[in-house]
Amino acid sequence: GESVGLHLPTLSVQEGDNSIINCAYSNSASDYFIWYKQESGKGPQFIIDIRSNMDKRQGQRVTVLLNKTVKHLSLQIAATQPGDSAVYFCAETPRVAGGTSYGKLTFGQGTILTVHP
Amino acid sequence: DAGVTQSPTHLIKTRGQQVTLRCSPKSGHDTVSWYQQALGQGPQFIFQYYEEEERQRGNFPDRFSGHQFPNYSSELNVNALLLGDSALYLCASSWGTVWEQYFGPGTRLTVT
Repeated sequence: GESVGLHLPTLSVQEGDNSIINCAYSNSASDYFIWYKQESGKGPQFIIDIRSNMDKRQGQRVTVLLNKTVKHLSLQIAATQPGDSAVYFCAETPRVAGGTSYGKLTFGQGTILTVHP
Repeated sequence: DAGVTQSPTHLIKTRGQQVTLRCSPKSGHDTVSWYQQALGQGPQFIFQYYEEEERQRGNFPDRFSGHQFPNYSSELNVNALLLGDSALYLCASSWGTVWEQYFGPGTRLTVT
């Protein structure tokens, strides 16, 4: 079936480095993509999103890139900090008839980001 | 402004029992979605409630049912619990058809 998956299950970086977390998706009908951060014992926290009609979107220290040709999504975190250590999930939701997805999110497996001081 | 709240935090049940989990959405939100997150996995969509009706459903058996109340809060019920139902159950709220969903801290269910 359709799925969203990640290339790397773990990523270790030094404080101050830039981090890149990757995600592949298979549903060509995917219309909206979101990155979530989940810390231990907590629910997923929204980081940044991007619509399928965009290639890039920037937030505070984070950038999401979308390559629809190869169905690839990435999250870039600038100047990574120890507080960024968490599991990062990409998620997608497709556009359905009428142009509304109703927010049924399909999540990938997750990447564990560890930031060393 | 209170975010999404869930109760209880933790729950231990025996196989075959029934369980009810509760969720209060973020203020101003009218849509509640439920997800199951097994250990080491991403959340899996169970169903979504809007205007007190189930609007969408994931690939979960009928043992999983829900309800939404007029104040937009929601319950998730699971009957005939199986060991495989042990997971973190997450509630997410949003407004109408807006995609951005806010998640609660989850209820950790352990079935023994």
